Amino acid sequence: QSVLTQPPSVSGAPGQRVTISCSGSTSNIGAGYEVHWYQQLPGTAPKLLIYGNNNRPSGVPDRFSGSKSGTSASLAITGLQAEDEADYYCQSYDNSLSSSVFGGGTTLTVL
Amino acid sequence: EVQLVESGGGLVQPGGSLRLSCEVSGFTFSTYWMAWLRQAPGKGLEWVANIKRDGTDKYYVNSVKGRFTISRDNAKNSLYVQMNSLRAEDTAVYYCARERKEFSWYFDLWGRGTLVTVSS
Repeated sequence: QSVLTQPPSVSGAPGQRVTISCSGSTSNIGAGYEVHWYQQLPGTAPKLLIYGNNNRPSGVPDRFSGSKSGTSASLAITGLQAEDEADYYCQSYDNSLSSSVFGGGTTLTVL
Repeated sequence: EVQLVESGGGLVQPGGSLRLSCEVSGFTFSTYWMAWLRQAPGKGLEWVANIKRDGTDKYYVNSVKGRFTISRDNAKNSLYVQMNSLRAEDTAVYYCARERKEFSWYFDLWGRGTLVTVSS
């Protein structure tokens, strides 16, 4: 059972907007620690998608955005494309575990 | 070109040992924290251990404390993890990653991973 909670799956049609939620607690997201998001395409290593709640590394399209409020965070993907089909993971730091923690991952299906 | 290349994975019996390596190129290795993470088959990501730039500070997830030892050789641009007393639940793809301390720790560069299978 993961410390951060994500929905197992989400789906959307090409061009649509989807959001993936990430729920934490007062020892991680709610304690003020930033949330980061990773994209894992099938059969590949994870890739940093969003860091520090809402910052995109160079090369990540602005279709991807992040937000955080209270003990939760969200990843939004607009203008959905077939190439966005992947697993998405949120990550933060937990001060009761003194370690980085991840969500269980969300599989995005583009219909 | 930035590269992190893991090696050393394989099949090992329960109770056995394995040493993973990660060779880094394309950035100044000695100026970054580094980490090992893993992903069990069909499962999510788990942070395993990290190590400070100069190797003086090391941290581990509770499940591997006392069994795994992370280390680095800055002269060789290499990261290691010595895994002892391996259990079936250690079966996973192990990733080496560069860890950033800003914004509450995150992993901005990842290797392709190496598979460790613990089975008799």
